[in-house]
Amino acid sequence: NAGVTQTPKFQVLKTGQSMTLQCAQDMNHEYMSWYRQDPGMGLRLIHYSVGAGITDQGEVPNGYNVSRSTTEDFPLRLLSAAPSQTSVYFCASSYSTGPRGLSLHFGNGTRLTVT
Amino acid sequence: AQSVTQPDIHITVSEGASLELRCNYSYGATPYLFWYVQSPGQGLQLLLKYFSGDTLVQGIKGFEAEFKRSQSSFNLRKPSVHWSDAAEYFCAVGNNDMRFGAGTRLTVKP
Repeated sequence: NAGVTQTPKFQVLKTGQSMTLQCAQDMNHEYMSWYRQDPGMGLRLIHYSVGAGITDQGEVPNGYNVSRSTTEDFPLRLLSAAPSQTSVYFCASSYSTGPRGLSLHFGNGTRLTVT
Repeated sequence: AQSVTQPDIHITVSEGASLELRCNYSYGATPYLFWYVQSPGQGLQLLLKYFSGDTLVQGIKGFEAEFKRSQSSFNLRKPSVHWSDAAEYFCAVGNNDMRFGAGTRLTVKP
């Protein structure tokens, strides 16, 4: 059981380039989300999805796009990379958004550097 | 808006000593509260969560946390720390729009 798989593990981009960070989960989780982690700032929510075809913005959505065409996949697109987007990106999923609350399962992260 | 404050950036404890990590939250209703742990180079793992009922919550790895509404706190405790507990700990609040604190790094002295 792979859990949450993120690819690539490392990426270097030049300013202005675009790319897609991939996230896939094999647990049939309805909820998926993207966070970025920066030193001293914890994790900040970029976008999330409560099911296929449904996405919503988090705390820091600017410069990022998402789509959720299947339950399994939740790719994060950087439209025009900027040095401020240098960070570690985590994808997470959970089985339910019901009354017991989320139990997030995290991937191992993608370390992105924008030069 | 919901938010979380972890007042301690870094804590050092001796192996076998007790541990308490502080977390204060701001939330408009009855909160969902969580503690996650992150080992170096890894993603986060859920330790425990509070969503209703008993205010003392038991988690994995011998951790527990107590929800105190009057103090807007959800502190994490462990009676006896092991060297393998050295990691970064994050408190979080919310549900679909979950917000994390800045984290507390725990160092364990032999």
